[in-house]
Amino acid sequence: DAGVTQSPTHLIKTRGQQVTLRCSPKSGHDTVSWYQQALGQGPQFIFQYYEEEERQRGNFPDRFSGHQFPNYSSELNVNALLLGDSALYLCASSLGISSYNEQFFGPGTRLTVL
Amino acid sequence: GQQLNQSPQSMFIQEGEDVSMNCTSSSIFNTWLWYKQDPGEGPVLLIALYKAGELTSNGRLTAQFGITRKDSFLNISASIPSDVGIYFCAGRISSDMRFGAGTRLTVKP
Repeated sequence: DAGVTQSPTHLIKTRGQQVTLRCSPKSGHDTVSWYQQALGQGPQFIFQYYEEEERQRGNFPDRFSGHQFPNYSSELNVNALLLGDSALYLCASSLGISSYNEQFFGPGTRLTVL
Repeated sequence: GQQLNQSPQSMFIQEGEDVSMNCTSSSIFNTWLWYKQDPGEGPVLLIALYKAGELTSNGRLTAQFGITRKDSFLNISASIPSDVGIYFCAGRISSDMRFGAGTRLTVKP
């Protein structure tokens, strides 16, 4: 039973470029949340997808967008990359959107913006 | 974005000692959670708390949901070397989960 998987593991981009990160949820899960974790900090909530729609969003600009596919996998897109976007991007999946449902985290994608 | 106030920032303890860390917030949460994150991994849930005043144990770990719903603590008893890592508190209301900045725990054998 596979857990949450993310790809790629590492990524290096330059300022102004665009990036797409991918997440496959844990088997049986239908909800995907994305987090940004800067070095030495806790994760910060970006947004959550359920039934192929963005259900809730944290305090992130429109440069951050996402998508959920019918098989529940998800993508995070970041446009016009800034140096400050360098971080570990974590995907978490759960069954349903209730705040009482446990979220399981993937290992993350380390994005470096030069 | 707003984060929770987690302390201490780091701890260096001897194997066998007990550890205590806490988290406070200006906001009320429905759920308090404690996670551990190892290098190269995502956070792993240790304990979840769902009711104000709730005290929950998971092996050597004990956590409490503060009565005001604005704070929580985590205790680890009789620490062992594999307890090394970064511990995060998180408060959750609806889909939005806010994390503390973490407590880095080092255990000396």
